[in-house]
Amino acid sequence: DTGVSQDPRHKITKRGQNVTFRCDPISEHNRLYWYRQTLGQGPEFLTYFQNEAQLEKSRLLSDRFSAERPKGSFSTLEIQRTEQGDSAMYLCASGVRDRAREQYFGPGTRLTVT
Amino acid sequence: AQSVTQPDIHITVSEGASLELRCNYSYGATPYLFWYVQSPGQGLQLLLKYFSGDTLVQGIKGFEAEFKRSQSSFNLRKPSVHWSDAAEYFCAVGLYGGATNKLIFGTGTLLAVQP
Repeated sequence: DTGVSQDPRHKITKRGQNVTFRCDPISEHNRLYWYRQTLGQGPEFLTYFQNEAQLEKSRLLSDRFSAERPKGSFSTLEIQRTEQGDSAMYLCASGVRDRAREQYFGPGTRLTVT
Repeated sequence: AQSVTQPDIHITVSEGASLELRCNYSYGATPYLFWYVQSPGQGLQLLLKYFSGDTLVQGIKGFEAEFKRSQSSFNLRKPSVHWSDAAEYFCAVGLYGGATNKLIFGTGTLLAVQP
């Protein structure tokens, strides 16, 4: 069990550029989640996949955001035309469909938009 | 609407002292409740969870939490704090049903430990 991994760990970009983050969940986990955390706040839910199906999207996920999980394994989160307000920690979590419903988090990708 | 409140933004305790971090939730049904810990610049580590059964749950690193339905609370406790416990602690409630499957987090409590 190598845990949830995310890449890159840090990203600095200029306003208006596109960025893409990757998340590799724990191998047997069929559920994958994306959250966003801004300074001084708790994580906020963005979206949820079960296998390759994107089942729920938050209103926080504007048209500039898109997430995919093409083969039900790793996932990508793309932000187009980044804005300074997109600066945050983007966290990925994975889990299995069991009674405990635990979510295991990766180390996050810190995005800074200048 | 479902929500989680952590009334204490920042707490300082002395090493070896006991600790209690407060968490109140708003949820109509029996909740799934979680405590996570986050060290600076890191992701979240699950400390413990409650979803049924014994209302006093034990977690990792010597932490425990008690679910009190009458008070809508799920407070985190530790009898003796170590310097390595300094971190930010988040309480969360799980929302499940249909296509919904997510955690709602509180704003966190930052714990400082004095030598």
